[in-house]
Amino acid sequence: NAGVTQTPKFQVLKTGQSMTLQCAQDMNHNSMYWYRQDPGMGLRLIYYSASEGTTDKGEVPNGYNVSRLNKREFSLRLESAAPSQTSVYFCASSGGQLRLAGVETQYFGPGTRLLVL
Amino acid sequence: TQLLEQSPQFLSIQEGENLTVYCNSSSVFSSLQWYRQEPGEGPVLLVTVVTGGEVKKLKRLTFQFGDARKDSSLHITAAQPGDTGLYLCAVMDSSYKLIFGSGTRLLVRP
Repeated sequence: NAGVTQTPKFQVLKTGQSMTLQCAQDMNHNSMYWYRQDPGMGLRLIYYSASEGTTDKGEVPNGYNVSRLNKREFSLRLESAAPSQTSVYFCASSGGQLRLAGVETQYFGPGTRLLVL
Repeated sequence: TQLLEQSPQFLSIQEGENLTVYCNSSSVFSSLQWYRQEPGEGPVLLVTVVTGGEVKKLKRLTFQFGDARKDSSLHITAAQPGDTGLYLCAVMDSSYKLIFGSGTRLLVRP
């Protein structure tokens, strides 16, 4: 099992360019998440998908869109990148059955490091 | 204002020393999780605590959930260089989203 995979690993964009970050999981999980991590800020939730066919905003959704393509894949799109979106982006997944109880394990991918110039 | 405050922000110690890091809040939670993140990797769950006063041990790591379920501590005995990383606590907020603290960055020097 590969777990959670993310592509690309690194990306440099110019302000105004667009790009899509890809995420896939092979654990048959229902729930998937996108976070960003900035120095001194911990991880902040951008969007999540509790189950296939649903998506919801997290703490910092502005400037991003998501697509839950199928149960395995959850993509994050930056339509017009800004320097403030320079960050490390993590995708995660969890089973979903115990999500509301707050006791689920979230499994994280290795991250995508994005620099917007 | 952060929902979770972690302290210290950074800790550098010698191999073999003991240490404690803290995760505090003014809110009550039904559960709390600790994750460790190694450089260049995503976070990995270490433990989930659900009962006030609960103590869980994972080899040299001891986790405690406060009696009032507002805070937690992580104690490492005889730290090793392999313990180096960012330690994050996380809780579920009122809208069922996982909220992370800003973390404690630990460096264990050989």
